[in-house]
Amino acid sequence: GAVVSQHPSRVICKSGTSVKIECRSLDFQATTMFWYRQFPKQSLMLMATSNEGSKATYEQGVEKDKFLINHASLTLSTLTVTSAHPEDSSFYICSVAKTGKQETQYFGPGTRLLVL
Amino acid sequence: AQSVAQPEDQVNVAEGNPLTVKCTYSVSGNPYLFWYVQYPNRGLQFLLKYITGDNLVKGSYGFEAEFNKSQTSFHLKKPSALVSDSALYFCAVRAMGDSSYKLIFGSGTRLLVRP
Repeated sequence: GAVVSQHPSRVICKSGTSVKIECRSLDFQATTMFWYRQFPKQSLMLMATSNEGSKATYEQGVEKDKFLINHASLTLSTLTVTSAHPEDSSFYICSVAKTGKQETQYFGPGTRLLVL
Repeated sequence: AQSVAQPEDQVNVAEGNPLTVKCTYSVSGNPYLFWYVQYPNRGLQFLLKYITGDNLVKGSYGFEAEFNKSQTSFHLKKPSALVSDSALYFCAVRAMGDSSYKLIFGSGTRLLVRP
C-alpha cells in the first residue's frame, strides 16, 4: 500500500480567514494526488486533481481561486481554503494514486474543517 | 458517463452470518473496480480491487468481491460478519481507458453488524 498523512486532523477557524491543509505521501512518490470533500453521511466529491509540478485540474463547479492547490514535491500537496465561510465546513480527504499494474488510490485520514 | 450505484443505504446482519454489499456500475469499456471502507471520522481504507484476471477477488479482513461483467456488478461479500465490520463501505470505478485515474464513487452503504 501507501501511507498518507494529513495535517491538521481538525481545524476551527473564523470566517474570512484562510486555512492550509497538508497531504503527505510518506512512503511513495506521488505525481498525482486527489482532493475530495465529504459532507456528513454522503459520498466523496472529487474537488481537484493535484499534479506535481503543474497546475491542478479542478472539477466542474469547484472554485480554483477559493481552493488553492499546490503540489510542489512528489510527497506533498497542499489545499488552501481561502476566505473561508461556514459553508466551507466539511471533511476534506486527500489521496495518492499508485499507477500501473498496482493501480490503487490510498487515502489520508481526513481533515475536519469548521468555520465559525 | 461513468457511474456507480449502491442500492442499499444500509445493510443489517447478525454477527457470524454472511454479508453482501451490492454495487453495480456503468462505464465505457472495461472497468477497474474498487472497494473501500470508512470508519467514523477517518479516511478511506482500501479493501480490494479488480483490474484483470480472476473474477473473484480476495481482499483485506476476509472480504471478497466477484466481478460479473454481464450483470455489471461487483458485490462485496464476507462469509462471516464481525461486529467490527460495522462501517461505511464505498464502491468505486474507473474506466480502463481513462488516463486521469479519477475514481467515481458510489453513495456508500452503511453496514451494521449486530452482536
